[in-house]
Amino acid sequence: NAGVTQTPKFQVLKTGQSMTLQCAQDMNHNSMYWYRQDPGMGLRLIYYSASEGTTDKGEVPNGYNVSRLNKREFSLRLESAAPSQTSVYFCASSGKGQGLRDTQYFGPGTRLTVL
Amino acid sequence: QKEVEQDPGPLSVPEGAIVSLNCTYSNSAFQYFMWYRQYSRKGPELLMYTYSSGNKEDGRFTAQVDKSSKYISLFIRDSQPSDSATYLCAMTEPAGGTSYGKLTFGQGTILTVHP
Repeated sequence: NAGVTQTPKFQVLKTGQSMTLQCAQDMNHNSMYWYRQDPGMGLRLIYYSASEGTTDKGEVPNGYNVSRLNKREFSLRLESAAPSQTSVYFCASSGKGQGLRDTQYFGPGTRLTVL
Repeated sequence: QKEVEQDPGPLSVPEGAIVSLNCTYSNSAFQYFMWYRQYSRKGPELLMYTYSSGNKEDGRFTAQVDKSSKYISLFIRDSQPSDSATYLCAMTEPAGGTSYGKLTFGQGTILTVHP
């Protein structure tokens, strides 16, 4: 099992450009999440999807959109990138009946720089 | 005030030392408490998981939860250079609450264990 995979690993954008971060999990998890991690700020939830077909805003949703494409895939889109969106982005997934409730499994991250 | 507070450090200790990492929180509904370890340029991975109050031990690691004080701790005995990482506390409410599946993270503590 690959677990949670993310593409791309690195990306540099210019202000105003758009891009989509891809995430996929092969653990048959119902819930998926997008976080950003900035120095001294810990992990902040951007959006989450409790189950296929639903998405909800997290703590810092402004400037982002998400799509739960199917049970495996959850993408994050930046429509018009801003320097404040320079960060490391992590995707995670969790599932019921997996032993430990709400244990989230993280991908390796995408390092995004917006110039 | 943040819902979960964690001293970001950095914390530097000699090999073999006992390390104490701590988080305080304000939401009395939190029932599940976790510690994640994050190596440099990697995604967080679950290290310890505790339900409600009490202690849990796993090898050199001990997690403690004191719900009356809203305080959780992670102790590392006989620390090793391989323990050098960022440690994040995380917590969540019981199933059925509106925050199902969502974790609230502390800011993370950067730990360096030097030989």
